[in-house]
Amino acid sequence: NAGVTQTPKFQVLKTGQSMTLQCAQDMNHEYMSWYRQDPGMGLRLIHYSVGAGITDQGEVPNGYNVSRSTTEDFPLRLLSAAPSQTSVYFCASSAPSGQNNSPLHFGNGTRLTVT
Amino acid sequence: GDSVTQMEGPVTLSEEAFLTINCTYTATGYPSLFWYVQYPGEGLQLLLKATKADDKGSNKGFEATYRKETTSFHLEKGSVQVSDSAVYFCALSGATNKLIFGTGTLLAVQP
Repeated sequence: NAGVTQTPKFQVLKTGQSMTLQCAQDMNHEYMSWYRQDPGMGLRLIHYSVGAGITDQGEVPNGYNVSRSTTEDFPLRLLSAAPSQTSVYFCASSAPSGQNNSPLHFGNGTRLTVT
Repeated sequence: GDSVTQMEGPVTLSEEAFLTINCTYTATGYPSLFWYVQYPGEGLQLLLKATKADDKGSNKGFEATYRKETTSFHLEKGSVQVSDSAVYFCALSGATNKLIFGTGTLLAVQP
């Protein structure tokens, strides 16, 4: 049972480069989200999606784009990487009943360094 | 807006010691409350939850009680093990149905 799969596990970028962080889940979850984790800041929501074709901004969306063309996949794009985007990124999903009845399932994270 | 405040770490304990990690929250309405745990190199996983006042969530020897009068959801365990070493996150789900996390508390248990 794969759950939530994130690739790559590690990535180093130069300032200005672009890249896509991949996230896939095999649990048929409608809700998917991206968080970044920084020391002393906890987890902050970047973007989320409540179903295919629907996305919305979270707390810290600037510099990131998302799309949701299928239920399974929710890629996160960095259009022009900046050192401030150095972080650990987590993708998470849950069933459509919401957090009260369905907890978030997290991937193992992508550690991104921007130099 | 909604927010979660949890005690700063790291918390260092000897094996079999009693654990308390404090968590308080600010929210409109009646949020659900959660504790997530993150083991080294992994993503977060749900440890326990409580969806209404006075509910007690429990799992793997950990407990937390939803206290509306003190807006708190403190995590406790009577006897910690080395394998409990991890980062613990308190979180709430409020009117927006999105999870809001605290900053996390690192627990280190020494043999």
